[in-house]
Order: sequence, then C-alpha cells, then structure tokens
Amino acid sequence: AQSVTQLDSHVSVSEGTPVLLRCNYSSSYSPSLFWYVQHPNKGLQLLLKYTSAATLVKGINGFEAEFKKSETSFHLTKPSAHMSDAAEYFCVVSDRIAGTASKLTFGTGTRLQVTL
Amino acid sequence: SAVISQKPSRDICQRGTSLTIQCQVDSQVTMMFWYRQQPGQSLTLIATANQGSEATYESGFVIDKFPISRPNLTFSTLTVSNMSPEDSSIYLCSVEDRTYEQYFGPGTRLTVT
Repeated sequence: AQSVTQLDSHVSVSEGTPVLLRCNYSSSYSPSLFWYVQHPNKGLQLLLKYTSAATLVKGINGFEAEFKKSETSFHLTKPSAHMSDAAEYFCVVSDRIAGTASKLTFGTGTRLQVTL
Repeated sequence: SAVISQKPSRDICQRGTSLTIQCQVDSQVTMMFWYRQQPGQSLTLIATANQGSEATYESGFVIDKFPISRPNLTFSTLTVSNMSPEDSSIYLCSVEDRTYEQYFGPGTRLTVT
C-alpha cells in the first residue's frame, strides 16, 4: 500500500524568502511522485514529477523537488516566494503495477501563505 | 498536455435527486479517473474508467451510488445518485497521458440541500 504524509498543514513565508513544503512517502514499489498546486476556486495543476530519472526535479514557476530514497522524502522548494504562490499544494504518490493504471494517492495538502 | 472540460461547473441539488457530471477530453485517452474532494479535504479516488469495460471502484464507493459511463475514448460521465448533504463536494475527472502524468479537469462543485 502507498501513502503520503505532508508534514505541515499550513506554511507561512514572507515574499522573497525560500519556501519548503515537506512530504514523506511510503510505497511498496518504485514510486512516481508528483506535486500539484490548487489555487482558490481553480483546478489542479501539475508542478513537477519524479519517475525514476534524475533525483532533482525542476518544475514550473521556479519550484523544484528532490527525491531522497533513503529518507523516503520528496520535499518541494523554491528559492524566493511570490505572492502568486499562495495556494494549496498536494504531494502525490503513484504506484504503477504492470498492466494497470496508475493509482494516485494524495497527501492532505499544505496551504502556503505568502505575506508582504 | 490534455485539455479537460467538465459540465456543469457547479450545481445545487435537492437531497434524493441525482446529478450526472460530464467530462470531455480533447484527445483520446485510455484511462479516465473520477475523484472527490470534500470541503477542506484532499482528493480521494472514486473509480477508474476504461473505455469498453466496467469502471473499477475504490473501497467505499459502489456502482449503485456512483454509476460511471465511458462510451468512447474522449468522454465519461459520473452520476451521483440519491444525493444527501454528505455528497456535497468537488468532483474532478482526470486523464493519464503516455508519460504517466495525470491532468485534471476544473471540477464540478456540488452542493446538496
């Protein structure tokens, strides 16, 4: 069984300071990992994904995440927060079993607040 | 990436009635998925819909309550049957592309009174 733990339900940063959103995962197989962002009253947007290639993954809008197997972590970072980054962020794990569709398991979400 | 639309975008329904949500994709896809996002919560997978076969439901979801159709490779519907206030949620469809990325529709916000 797969699971995801987002360690912070709410993170608040000042504009221009670094962002760190923490995620730990559990998976029986070689997982694919994703970060999605959901702005208020908007749909989900894929930020980045890890699928067993490079462990440091770069995504859109300056975000990146590092896959650390030894720590079972996939933390999301950004060097400098912008007001437009304020949103809900979901860490997602996918176990792909041969011949079947990916089943996504979502974390509980981290609400990022960016202040002036 | 796939472009996904859903209808309706939102609805307010009376308890005991049913609502059918439509999901349209701009390209042919094998797998489509339906999720529920209850207020202030994360997303939970309801079922996986493969064209030409019956949908596969996750634990806690049954076909009588959430019947799904998948008539072709670009379209699917989810019906929420015999609604109660507990069914008030955002319902989202998604598709998976060949790189195993899932793209989500804008969601249907359902309120049951």
